[in-house]
Amino acid sequence: RKEVEQDPGPFNVPEGATVAFNCTYSNSASQSFFWYRQDCRKEPKLLMSVYSSGNEDGRFTAQLNRASQYISLLIRDSKLSDSATYLCVAFLEGNKLVFGAGTILRVKS
Amino acid sequence: NAGVTQTPKFRVLKTGQSMTLLCAQDMNHEYMYWYRQDPGMGLRLIHYSVGEGTTAKGEVPDGYNVSRLKKQNFLLGLESAAPSQTSVYFCASDGADSYEQYFGPGTRLTVT
Repeated sequence: RKEVEQDPGPFNVPEGATVAFNCTYSNSASQSFFWYRQDCRKEPKLLMSVYSSGNEDGRFTAQLNRASQYISLLIRDSKLSDSATYLCVAFLEGNKLVFGAGTILRVKS
Repeated sequence: NAGVTQTPKFRVLKTGQSMTLLCAQDMNHEYMYWYRQDPGMGLRLIHYSVGEGTTAKGEVPDGYNVSRLKKQNFLLGLESAAPSQTSVYFCASDGADSYEQYFGPGTRLTVT
């Protein structure tokens, strides 16, 4: 079983839609979690951190449920520029990150 | 401030050839990493370094070697390339007090 699992998608949504991605992790010792964004043929970049209390950054909301070992990312009012692959990431002791395989989002006009 | 740079950007090797990928960062980061990314697999850690002169194995270290002779540089070597090493290689770095890793633009390697 992969340490971090994501639905690969693709999620095809119209502009303005709300879309949610889910992610599960297997290592209960994981300390912190993140969402990274990766554009086609580019490097991953940090989108946002995920806190137990949930956090919001503009149109993006991330939530963590430690009991269920589950992380989510909600994108409201999708834009064409949101089209990318979203990587769920768990932080392990020793400054190591474990990446999910990513969820592809395509926003269409 | 260039961030993290990688050379080369593309390379085609024949089976059995060797090569070195260079990663450089100008952010004075302690930690550096080499990942490979394959379709459906996500990023997998090959080797990493927690400081100048130190290296450690990651999830998929076989067939690769690394060196960190200078704090700003992290080299990844393939001694005898195999087709299974066809991949996109990313270097990353972060500071000791930060969780955010900064990635280079990647090196696309094809082994025929």
